[in-house]
Amino acid sequence: DAKTTQPNSMESNEEEPVHLPCNHSTISGTDYIHWYRQLPSQGPEYVIHGLTSNVNNRMASLAIAEDRKSSTLILHRATLRDAAVYYCILRGVNNYGQNFVFGPGTRLSVLP
Amino acid sequence: NAGVTQTPKFRILKIGQSMTLQCAQDMNHNYMYWYRQDPGMGLKLIYYSVGAGITDKGEVPNGYNVSRSTTEDFPLRLELAAPSQTSVYFCASSYLSGGYEKLFFGSGTQLSVL
Repeated sequence: DAKTTQPNSMESNEEEPVHLPCNHSTISGTDYIHWYRQLPSQGPEYVIHGLTSNVNNRMASLAIAEDRKSSTLILHRATLRDAAVYYCILRGVNNYGQNFVFGPGTRLSVLP
Repeated sequence: NAGVTQTPKFRILKIGQSMTLQCAQDMNHNYMYWYRQDPGMGLKLIYYSVGAGITDKGEVPNGYNVSRSTTEDFPLRLELAAPSQTSVYFCASSYLSGGYEKLFFGSGTQLSVL
């Protein structure tokens, strides 16, 4: 799987938008961009994924650069419950059943 | 649906003891995984399975064994516990949909080896 680079930590105020960046300059054409998050003392949970177009779901939005070398996870209104470690992961169609590589991720702190 | 269920939630072992961490999923997923997470670190893959009867090593398999006799169950065995195996263990399963793979995690087992 191609490598991703994320900031170690970010901070946000409650009810403000949060933009979590991810760089993936070696992404291949068939790699999906996945985001997972891990709340304290829990296992990671799926947030969103995309291939080329921007994506929205009830949890977040995913903005993908036109060249696909970077992406941004957008939390529209951060809540205290959004404090977690966020992982950006690339996953290609040839990697099914193999290692989902979880790097250190971005630790998001949300201030009241 | 219960999803991915791990037992026990906590366990303390003495050096040299053995134990089995249980993992069961009720979503009929073919793919299952065992990860460990040390404090402040990301997850590292121990073993994975693409279906009943098929298992393979991940990044850090030494000191562990697995079996997959059914689609639902994927137990992880520690034979001779060592302090280096103190960690939080997560089991996960996944399915393929529309060309992407979505992971579902259990709530973890916190293991201390003293």
